[in-house]
Amino acid sequence: EAAVTQSPRNKVTVTGGNVTLSCRQTNSHNYMYWYRQDTGHGLRLIHYSYGAGNLQIGDVPDGYKATRTTQEDFFLLLELASPSQTSLYFCASSDTGGNYAEQFFGPGTRLTVL
Amino acid sequence: QQQVRQSPQSLTVWEGETAILNCSYEDSTFDYFPWYRLFPGESPALLIAIRPVSNKKEDGRFTIFFNKREKKLSLHITDSQPGDSATYFCAASEYYGNEKITFGAGTKLTIKP
Repeated sequence: EAAVTQSPRNKVTVTGGNVTLSCRQTNSHNYMYWYRQDTGHGLRLIHYSYGAGNLQIGDVPDGYKATRTTQEDFFLLLELASPSQTSLYFCASSDTGGNYAEQFFGPGTRLTVL
Repeated sequence: QQQVRQSPQSLTVWEGETAILNCSYEDSTFDYFPWYRLFPGESPALLIAIRPVSNKKEDGRFTIFFNKREKKLSLHITDSQPGDSATYFCAASEYYGNEKITFGAGTKLTIKP
């Protein structure tokens, strides 16, 4: 049974639209991450969290908000979507932070902004 | 500023050959280097990792060679199989005081039968 799930798996919206991407993990992990994956750029960190109510800014945060409501649930919000945010978004969880901890990824959400 | 660089961006080798994927980094405080593999339509997953206490880590057909002085490492895949076709990401992190992993841009590997 998948330990990190994401919804929706595919989403199409228009420029200026409001989008929420959801992630749930059942690993009982403390850390959760949101990445975007683009050809030529690899996996780039948008936001991450080490627990409910906590939010840390990643490397490419502009245009994105995030909220960690519980240990299990982490949401990524695009309040005014732009075509540059068309991408494949992955959520991940890990037991600890970067300290040799393996990150477990969800199946991804493909977002298209027209 | 890209702290972890990978080359080549794409690589094609014949089945049975050895594929060599290169990675370099800038930050001397990095002390953990995992490689993640992404098959099309699937999720990235940890393949193999090394810490600088070693200059080599082997797991079956996959071997990491690490050169701390030059801040370079490479992933060798021997006896390449078509099923190895995927995108491979080199990554780096610090043990103390850092909660993030920094990923490279990836190498797309294609194995021709």
